[in-house]
Amino acid sequence: AQSVTQPDIHITVSEGASLELRCNYSYGATPYLFWYVQSPGQGLQLLLKYFSGDTLVQGIKGFEAEFKRSQSSFNLRKPSVHWSDAAEYFCAVGAGPHDMRFGAGTRLTVKP
Amino acid sequence: EAGVAQSPRYKIIEKRQSVAFWCNPISGHATLYWYQQILGQGPKLLIQFQNNGVVDDSQLPKDRFSAERLKGVDSTLKIQPAKLEDSAVYLCASSSPRDRSEQYFGPGTRLTVT
Repeated sequence: AQSVTQPDIHITVSEGASLELRCNYSYGATPYLFWYVQSPGQGLQLLLKYFSGDTLVQGIKGFEAEFKRSQSSFNLRKPSVHWSDAAEYFCAVGAGPHDMRFGAGTRLTVKP
Repeated sequence: EAGVAQSPRYKIIEKRQSVAFWCNPISGHATLYWYQQILGQGPKLLIQFQNNGVVDDSQLPKDRFSAERLKGVDSTLKIQPAKLEDSAVYLCASSSPRDRSEQYFGPGTRLTVT
């Protein structure tokens, strides 16, 4: 069965520190993988997506993610976090946008 | 370009009442999605339209939820009668025929059922 796990419900990092948000999935084949960000009171915004090819994907706002087939993971990273990055982050997996299953989300708090 | 519009932004109703949400997608976006996001969870797809036809409504509780997109542009999602467990944020998203992999989300409607 298709599933997405984001093990960390809440993460706090200091501004300027590096960030890694974890995402593990269970899927029968190589899925489409997405990371979305949701700021308070706003809809979700796509940060990056992976379908095939280079397993290191660059996204918007300085984010990147690495697909690791052997670990069934698609972790999101940023080398230096800004206060404006505080938000909820969702990993999603599926056969395509019509078939996406979202994780429960990780809430990021940024300390000054 | 204008984003996905949704209204109302907030709605409080009592259980067993009915409620309707409206969504206007980005101009030219043929695909429209409705999601339900319960507090502490990720969004769950309720229904997907391609133009004015339903592509997938397998997770829509059809005994109380209905949705339509009569002219292939804006859409309405209705709940009748509402239950306490319907309290959630209802998100509308749309995608372009040129790149259906990217969905653009509206700000959502926060529904509270008391």
